[in-house]
Amino acid sequence: AQKVTQAQTEISVVEKEDVTLDCVYETRDTTYYLFWYKQPPSGELVFLIRRNSFDEQNEISGRYSWNFQKSTSSFNFTITASQVVDSAVYFCALSEAQTGRRALTFGSGTRLQVQP
Amino acid sequence: DAGVIQSPRHEVTEMGQEVTLRCKPISGHDYLFWYRQTMMRGLELLIYFNNNVPIDDSGMPEDRFSAKMPNASFSTLKIQPSEPRDSAVYFCASREDSNYGYTFGSGTRLTVV
Repeated sequence: AQKVTQAQTEISVVEKEDVTLDCVYETRDTTYYLFWYKQPPSGELVFLIRRNSFDEQNEISGRYSWNFQKSTSSFNFTITASQVVDSAVYFCALSEAQTGRRALTFGSGTRLQVQP
Repeated sequence: DAGVIQSPRHEVTEMGQEVTLRCKPISGHDYLFWYRQTMMRGLELLIYFNNNVPIDDSGMPEDRFSAKMPNASFSTLKIQPSEPRDSAVYFCASREDSNYGYTFGSGTRLTVV
């Protein structure tokens, strides 16, 4: 069965610090998708990125970057030069595309607090 | 596109009452998902549909919960009778078959007193 683990429950940093959120996943499918979502205090789930299992290239989008390593089953998320607006709960999620469940399985989330 | 539309945004009800949550998926999306978010259990899948057919309802907590999708543009999640422990935020999401982009609604915050 699929599983997503976010071991960091809460992280607190000071503005302008870099921060990395860890995500480790388990799946038996060879084809799957990994996601990161942001949930700000307002409560909605904001899509950040989707990555398929065949694409291990790292991705950068502004201050955000993602490191996907199949060898360690990890999909980590780094925020460079953090800002107060980055304060939110961040979820990593997995969706299987072959034999497994087509729904998203979420990790437990990491609460990021960025202090001014 | 208006996105996934959920109603109501907030619901406060008394224990024992029936509660119905509604969801309108994005037109053309083949999959519809219901999730529940609580502090204790995080984001958990309750049920999902493919082409209006329930595929996996293993996450539905108990018989008090039921979900239907009578057509491609509407789904309901019903709790009868409601209990205080059902208090949570309920999210609906939809997805196209060929595209793994999940779109979430704004959620319904349910409080059972």
